[in-house]
Amino acid sequence: KAGVTQTPRYLIKTRGQQVTLSCSPISGHRSVSWYQQTPGQGLQFLFEYFSETQRNKGNFPGRFSGRQFSNSRSEMNVSTLELGDSALYLCASSPRQGREYGYTFGSGTRLTVV
Amino acid sequence: SQKIEQNSEALNIQEGKTATLTCNYTNYSPAYLQWYRQDPGRGPVFLLLIRENEKEKRKERLKVTFDTTLKQSLFHITASQPADSATYLCAPPFGAGSYQLTFGKGTKLSVIP
Repeated sequence: KAGVTQTPRYLIKTRGQQVTLSCSPISGHRSVSWYQQTPGQGLQFLFEYFSETQRNKGNFPGRFSGRQFSNSRSEMNVSTLELGDSALYLCASSPRQGREYGYTFGSGTRLTVV
Repeated sequence: SQKIEQNSEALNIQEGKTATLTCNYTNYSPAYLQWYRQDPGRGPVFLLLIRENEKEKRKERLKVTFDTTLKQSLFHITASQPADSATYLCAPPFGAGSYQLTFGKGTKLSVIP
């Protein structure tokens, strides 16, 4: 079956712009989480959605937002981009919220802010 | 505050040997812990989950232990191969009752032929 699909794979944006990233989870998976990965900070949790509702949020400014649609697809948006937002953004899905499930990650979107 | 530490940023071992990676956590007691593998430019891949009441879990050449007294998990790869070269991440949940994972910074394993 198809894995987690993230689009686009690469993105270059200018400081001050906004960006929207997309994630299609594995069919049947209802939980979608987003992570930011940088060399210095590693993987940091952004937020998690389940059944179109944000269930958890990490320690990121309000410029970072997301949503989930009825088909479980998710988008995240970053407004007023800063140079420090350059990172690999990863989406992960699991069948549902619950500790017994490992997450399936997409290949990520590499965002570069110039 | 909760803290996760993986023993080293990089580990080099000879092909055929057993690689042992360490994950230590402080200031909390996770009910379970997951291990992931990440290759450059790719997302992490789930390998194993171990619960607090399980001392050891195996999957093919992989073995994970979970010592709640020492607050430590060990990840072993036996008969290592160059294809095992990757970064390995431990991921306990963020806090008590939480499903959200928090990741260590990982250990980059290089298996030398």
